[in-house]
Amino acid sequence: AQSVTQPDIHITVSEGASLELRCNYSYGATPYLFWYVQSPGQGLQLLLKYFSGDTLVQGIKGFEAEFKRSQSSFNLRKPSVHWSDAAEYFCAVGAGGFKTIFGAGTRLFVKA
Amino acid sequence: DAGITQSPRHKVTETGTPVTLRCHQTENHRYMYWYRQDPGHGLRLIHYSYGVKDTDKGEVSDGYSVSRSKTEDFLLTLESATSSQTSVYFCAISDARLDDEQFFGPGTRLTVL
Repeated sequence: AQSVTQPDIHITVSEGASLELRCNYSYGATPYLFWYVQSPGQGLQLLLKYFSGDTLVQGIKGFEAEFKRSQSSFNLRKPSVHWSDAAEYFCAVGAGGFKTIFGAGTRLFVKA
Repeated sequence: DAGITQSPRHKVTETGTPVTLRCHQTENHRYMYWYRQDPGHGLRLIHYSYGVKDTDKGEVSDGYSVSRSKTEDFLLTLESATSSQTSVYFCAISDARLDDEQFFGPGTRLTVL
């Protein structure tokens, strides 16, 4: 069955430090992969998406993610975190038909 | 921002009462979705629609029904609300099945006492 695992429930990083959020997926075919961000009290907003081609994708707000088929991973990175990046981040996979499977989310805390 | 509104934004109701949540879009997107968000579970699909009067079940559809009589409106009904349906409900829209992002509404926080 398709699934998405985000191993870290929450992560704390210092402002200006680099960030990597992990995502592993289980899917039998070539996946469509997404990262969304949710600020408190808001809906989700797309950060970036991967369908095919270059395995390193760039997104909004300075985020990037790398698709590694051999590891079934799609980790999100940012070289320097800003306090405004504090939010919850969701990895998702297009699971065929009309379904998108979301991970449980990773909450990012940024300390000054 | 995509034109998606949800109403009400907050609701408190009692066990056993019917509740209807409304999602309204101004983007003319074909696909509409209802999710619920619970801590530790991410978002789980309740129902979705692939056109007017065309709907289907998601992974957590028990106790919920939907209707879509117009492109712009997608209604979610809790036929007899239970405490386990206390959650935050999100509507989303998209213009393609997989290869496009979903745009999310602001959410409805529902509390069932």
